[in-house]
Amino acid sequence: EMELLESGGDLVQPGESLRLSCVASGFTFSQYAMSWIRQAPGKGLEWVAAIYGRDQLTSYADSVMGRFTIARDNSKDTLYLQMNSLRDEDTAVYYCVRDFGRVVVASTKWGRGTLVTVSS
Amino acid sequence: DIQMTQSPSTLSASVGDRVTITCRASHSISSWLAWYQQRPGKAPKVLMYKASTLESGVPSRFSGSESGTEFTLTITSLQPDDFATYYCQQYSSYPWTFGQGTKVELK
Repeated sequence: EMELLESGGDLVQPGESLRLSCVASGFTFSQYAMSWIRQAPGKGLEWVAAIYGRDQLTSYADSVMGRFTIARDNSKDTLYLQMNSLRDEDTAVYYCVRDFGRVVVASTKWGRGTLVTVSS
Repeated sequence: DIQMTQSPSTLSASVGDRVTITCRASHSISSWLAWYQQRPGKAPKVLMYKASTLESGVPSRFSGSESGTEFTLTITSLQPDDFATYYCQQYSSYPWTFGQGTKVELK
């Protein structure tokens, strides 16, 4: 069974850094692009960043460009999000998300999320 | 970026009602659209992908359709378990974008 398990969420002060991790199981991790998606308290869903499976090309939302870095280690089936210069507005539950199947049409998979709180 | 306009933002309905939620994309996304259900404190649960493909395990009272850049989620007979918030999402290109959400509440 597919599973995504996030960790690393914490309470930090504005300007500090945090690294989130997501361990994948139940599918061939290297074959899929992966994303981080967040949800601020009481708000909607916001895509944050994505990384392709093999060439590891990345894409970022404007709101985090230059502050966040997405990375992956295919040998460990693990996705990361390095978050620097954190702001109050980065407070959210962060979800690790597997891409949909395209060539062979398939669904997505979400983790349960990890809470990041940025507050002084 | 592709904008997703979802309506209504709130929907009041009764058990047994037929419910329709609409999402309009600002550009063509082919059929790369998903629908999610989210309950408070939980991760979104995918209901539908590629516009009209039902996720495994999701009841058949849920269905999806498309007409050009307009997409619809229909619940044919609303059940108590269906009172939740629903989101559409385009995954045609990055940045992935979501509709604003539709809260289905008890009338």
